[in-house]
Amino acid sequence: DTAVSQTPKYLVTQMGNDKSIKCEQNLGHDTMYWYKQDSKKFLKIMFSYNNKELIINETVPNRFSPKSPDKAHLNLHINSLELGDSAVYFCASSQWGFSNQPQHFGDGTRLSIL
Amino acid sequence: KQEVTQIPAALSVPEGENLVLNCSFTDSAIYNLQWFRQDPGKGLTSLLLIQSSQREQTSGRLNASLDKSSGRSTLYIAASQPGDSATYLCAVRDANFGNEKLTFGTGTRLTIIP
Repeated sequence: DTAVSQTPKYLVTQMGNDKSIKCEQNLGHDTMYWYKQDSKKFLKIMFSYNNKELIINETVPNRFSPKSPDKAHLNLHINSLELGDSAVYFCASSQWGFSNQPQHFGDGTRLSIL
Repeated sequence: KQEVTQIPAALSVPEGENLVLNCSFTDSAIYNLQWFRQDPGKGLTSLLLIQSSQREQTSGRLNASLDKSSGRSTLYIAASQPGDSATYLCAVRDANFGNEKLTFGTGTRLTIIP
C-alpha cells in the first residue's frame, strides 16, 4: 500500500560512477518531484514533472537527468558521481492545481559516494 | 525568493509539557504551509497542511496556526511524549502559477526527555 516508493533505499558507490534512482507513486497524481537533503538536513527542490513534462529545474548540474516514462514514475539518473552528491534524495508527488492537498514523500534514497 | 526559517534549531523539553515550534517565511504570497515530521534515517511524514485562507488546523495533540500577513506559523504540541522526538520541518508552497514546489525550513530537532 506504499503511496510513494523509491528504490534503492541505500546506494553506496564510487566517485565517477553512473547510478539511477527510481520512484513510483500509486496515488494517481500527475506531478512528481525530486528533492535533495544535504548533510545539514536542508531539503531543496531539484526537479518537478507534470504529466511527463519538466516544469521545474532548479539549476541542477546537467549530470543529473530525470526521466518520466509516465506520470506515475519519475527516475533520476546521475552521471559521473562526485563526493558532493552524497545526500538523501526524496521523491514526492501531488495533484497539479490542488493547493489544498499535501505533497506525499517517499522514504528517501541515501546516496553515499566513496 | 522565498526563504523559510525555523527557530529554535533544537529543543529539549520534559515529557508532558506543551511546546511551540516556530516557522517564518519571507514572502506571504503562499498557497499553503505544510508541517512534516522526520525521524532519524527515515522519510517525511506529513502532519498538517494549512491553506492560505485558514488560520489553524488541528490533528490530535497537534495544532498548527498560520498568520500569512506576518509570514509566521506555529506548531503546538500538547502533552508531549517521548515518541514525539523527531525533526519537525515546515514548508511553504508559493502562490505562483506553475510553481508547485515546496520551500523547506531548516527544521527544529525536538527531544522529549522521559
